[in-house]
Amino acid sequence: DAKTTQPNSMESNEEEPVHLPCNHSTISGTDYIHWYRQLPSQGPEYVIHGLTSNVNNRMASLAIAEDRKSSTLILHRATLRDAAVYYCILRATDSWGKFQFGAGTQVVVTP
Amino acid sequence: NAGVTQTPKFQVLKTGQSMTLQCAQDMNHNSMYWYRQDPGMGLRLIYYSASEGTTDKGEVPNGYNVSRLNKREFSLRLESAAPSQTSVYFCASSSRQVTGELFFGEGSRLTVL
Repeated sequence: DAKTTQPNSMESNEEEPVHLPCNHSTISGTDYIHWYRQLPSQGPEYVIHGLTSNVNNRMASLAIAEDRKSSTLILHRATLRDAAVYYCILRATDSWGKFQFGAGTQVVVTP
Repeated sequence: NAGVTQTPKFQVLKTGQSMTLQCAQDMNHNSMYWYRQDPGMGLRLIYYSASEGTTDKGEVPNGYNVSRLNKREFSLRLESAAPSQTSVYFCASSSRQVTGELFFGEGSRLTVL
């Protein structure tokens, strides 16, 4: 299974952008890149996903490198509510049911 | 707007006791999942069910059994609980596709003494 590598933690000031990197050098051509986040004492929630092109939604933007070996989740203006663990996950077309989380990145937002 | 509902939310067991965690979803999803999360760790997949009538092992299936009772319900059973199974358990559901978003329940906190 293709694996992802994320930094353990990142800090940001409130209302500043946050760029969360994810390396996935063994990604295959049909793997989708998914991002989830987990607020304290809650289950994870979906943030965004993409395949090749950059994606935007109301929560965040996903920038995917041209070779797809890395991606970056961008929170445009961090709020205190964005303090959470962010998970970058690859989902394979032929084994999509095995949706496996790694350790994720703990994002700390300071006022 | 229930989404994914797990019961019970809290449970304390003694070593060797058995119990079943229940999960139900009302989104007409084909696929359902059980994860465990130990303190300070990420989620680990125990079992998943791609569709009604099928179940498959995840990363950490030992010590657990599952039943996909119908399209709505997916239960997780601990036949003989061990302290190593102390964890928070999350159920999730999604549509049956690689882009399908997972929806999670609130979690069930299990302590095995």
